[in-house]
Amino acid sequence: AQTVTQSQPEMSVQEAETVTLSCTYDTSENNYYLFWYKQPPSRQMILVIRQEAYKQQNATENRFSVNFQKAAKSFSLKISDSQLGDTAMYFCAFMKLTPGTYKYIFGTGTRLKVLA
Amino acid sequence: ETGVTQSPTHLIKTRGQQVTLRCSSQSGHNTVSWYQQALGQGPQFIFQYYREEENGRGNFPPRFSGLQFPNYSSELNVNALELDDSALYLCASSRVSTGGEQYFGPGTRLTVT
Repeated sequence: AQTVTQSQPEMSVQEAETVTLSCTYDTSENNYYLFWYKQPPSRQMILVIRQEAYKQQNATENRFSVNFQKAAKSFSLKISDSQLGDTAMYFCAFMKLTPGTYKYIFGTGTRLKVLA
Repeated sequence: ETGVTQSPTHLIKTRGQQVTLRCSSQSGHNTVSWYQQALGQGPQFIFQYYREEENGRGNFPPRFSGLQFPNYSSELNVNALELDDSALYLCASSRVSTGGEQYFGPGTRLTVT
C-alpha cells in the first residue's frame, strides 16, 4: 500500500521570501503521478503543480517548483517570492497509474502562513 | 475556481439518520471521486464512479454508497450516520482518459450530533 508523509504540520514565511514544504512517499509502483494541492481557508482544493514519475525534469509553475527525487521517494514544493495569498493548507498527493481506479492518496497537510 | 459544484454547503444531522450529498462535475469530465476530510487531516478516498459504475472503493463501510447519473453528476449517500462521520466531504471530477488530475468542489461540511 502507498503512503504519503508530510512531516511539517505548520510553517510560516515572510512575504517575498522562499519556503520549501516537504513530502515523502512510499510505493513499489514505477508509474505514478505526484501532486501538490492548495486548500485556502475557503476550502476549495486547487492544483498547484503535477509531476509525472517518468520525467526526470522537475516541474515548475511560475513561482512554484518541485524537487523530485525518485530514488529517495521525496517530492518537496518550493514557493518563491511568497505572497499573502499563498496562505493555505498544502497537501501532497500520490496517484498510481496502473489502469483501474485513479485515486489520490493524500498526506496530512502542511499549514503555511505567509506573514506581512 | 474549478467547475465542480457541491450541495449543500453545510448540513447538520442526528446520529442514525441518512444523508445525501450532491456533486456536479466539470464539463467534459466522466469520472467522479468522493473523499472524506476529517478536521485537521488529509482527504481519504471513499469511492470513484466512472460511466455510472463504481470504479474502486476505499476503506469505508457499505453504508456509504453512491450514484453517478448520465450527465456525470453524482450523489453520496450515507446511512445510519455516526458521530465519526462528521467531516468535510469533497467531490472531485476528472477525465479518466488522461488518468490525471482531479478538480475539486468546495465540499459539504457534515456535522452529526
